[in-house]
Amino acid sequence: AQSVTQLGSHVSVSEGALVLLRCNYSSSVPPYLFWYVQYPNQGLQLLLKYTSAATLVKGINGFEAEFKKSETSFHLTKPSAHMSDAAEYFCAVSDRGGSYIPTFGRGTSLIVHP
Amino acid sequence: GAGVSQSPSNKVTEKGKDVELRCDPISGHTALYWYRQSLGQGLEFLIYFQGNSAPDKSGLPSDRFSAERTGGSVSTLTIQRTQQEDSAVYLCASSLSGTGSTGELFFGEGSRLTVL
Repeated sequence: AQSVTQLGSHVSVSEGALVLLRCNYSSSVPPYLFWYVQYPNQGLQLLLKYTSAATLVKGINGFEAEFKKSETSFHLTKPSAHMSDAAEYFCAVSDRGGSYIPTFGRGTSLIVHP
Repeated sequence: GAGVSQSPSNKVTEKGKDVELRCDPISGHTALYWYRQSLGQGLEFLIYFQGNSAPDKSGLPSDRFSAERTGGSVSTLTIQRTQQEDSAVYLCASSLSGTGSTGELFFGEGSRLTVL
C-alpha cells in the first residue's frame, strides 16, 4: 500500500522568495517518487523523479527535491520563485517493481506575488 | 504527434446521456492509465492497462464506467447514464513498463466533462 500527503493546498510566496512544497509518503517497499507540475488548462508534466540514485534530485526550471528516508519525505524546493512558477504541483509515489500505478497527492497550488 | 492525445478536449452533456472519451498514447508505450481530476480532489486513479494483461479496474467508481484498449494502443473511456458528479477532467497517461522502467507517466491535456 502506498499513500502521499501534501501539506497545504495553497502556498503563497513573493517573487524571488524561497519555494518549499511539502510531500510525505508511505510505502511498504522502496518507492519511486515524482513531482509533476500542471499549468492552467494543461496536463501534468514531470518536474523530477527519485529512483534510488542520488538523494538530491535536480529537475527542470531550477527545482530540486531531496529524498529523506528517515523522514519519509520528498519536499520540493526552488531558491527563488518566478511568476511563471505559479501552477499546481503534485507529488506521486509508485512501488518499485510493482505495477507502477502511481498514487498522487491532492496537489498544492503555488501562488507567486509580484 | 509525439505526445499523448485526448479527445474531445471539452464535452458538455445532459444528465443520463452516455459519453466516450478517447486517448491515443505515445507510440511504443505499453502502459496506459486513466485518472479523474476533480476540483480540490487531486488525481483519482480509474483504470490501468498493461500490454495484453487484464486491466486493473480497481479505481472505477461504479459499473457505469468502463474502458477498453484496442490493439494495445488507443483507449476509450465510456461513462453511461452520466450524473452531475461525473463532471471532472479525465486525464489519460502512458508510460514505458517492464524492466528498467521508473514509472514516469506522460499525460495528455485531458478531457473536461460537464454534465448539466
